[in-house]
Amino acid sequence: GAGVSQTPSNKVTEKGKYVELRCDPISGHTALYWYRQSLGQGPEFLIYFQGTGAADDSGLPNDRFFAVRPEGSVSTLKIQRTERGDSAVYLCASSPGTDSGANVLTFGAGSRLTVL
Amino acid sequence: AQSVTQLDSHVSVSEGTPVLLRCNYSSSYSPSLFWYVQHPNKGLQLLLKYTSAATLVKGINGFEAEFKKSETSFHLTKPSAHMSDAAEYFCVVSFTGFQKLVFGTGTRLLVSP
Repeated sequence: GAGVSQTPSNKVTEKGKYVELRCDPISGHTALYWYRQSLGQGPEFLIYFQGTGAADDSGLPNDRFFAVRPEGSVSTLKIQRTERGDSAVYLCASSPGTDSGANVLTFGAGSRLTVL
Repeated sequence: AQSVTQLDSHVSVSEGTPVLLRCNYSSSYSPSLFWYVQHPNKGLQLLLKYTSAATLVKGINGFEAEFKKSETSFHLTKPSAHMSDAAEYFCVVSFTGFQKLVFGTGTRLLVSP
């Protein structure tokens, strides 16, 4: 696609529920990132995929958070047993993954998660 | 650890006056440095990037930044502010061999008529 697409744009859920957030990166981009942005803060790194594999998941806060990218394109961020502290905007970004394009990320508009 | 410090949480300027947004980074490796802008309810947009070529980097919308290794700084400037520049600005660092970007806490730029 022309840009990075994230769905849903808004998600309201209850504490303890399971949530999935989807990211559709720019066509042909091999690298995909998930970030979390809490109110008044800068985005915090969660996980980075190169192709289908998670190359760096050091930012995932705990084992309730999991992400997949089974075919090397669309990615899903999964949050189990949601807590109020998970409320944030979840940002997805992609990049070409080549040396010349490495680290030049294009971000989606984000998925705003509210846990009641 | 890699990090950036944005020295001002808010900067207020009048339209037509210069803009200076300050950023310092901590460096264990050769950094790549970026400035991103985030307008309300919009996605993050890349303003400019430094990747060890020219130390003075020109970006979109008249912004530029200068990499100063001796000061570990990468301040963002614009000669004349426009109302449409009002937004949140993030200084970002990554290091050779590391794919993830590390964001600063952001500087909110306010532009008054």
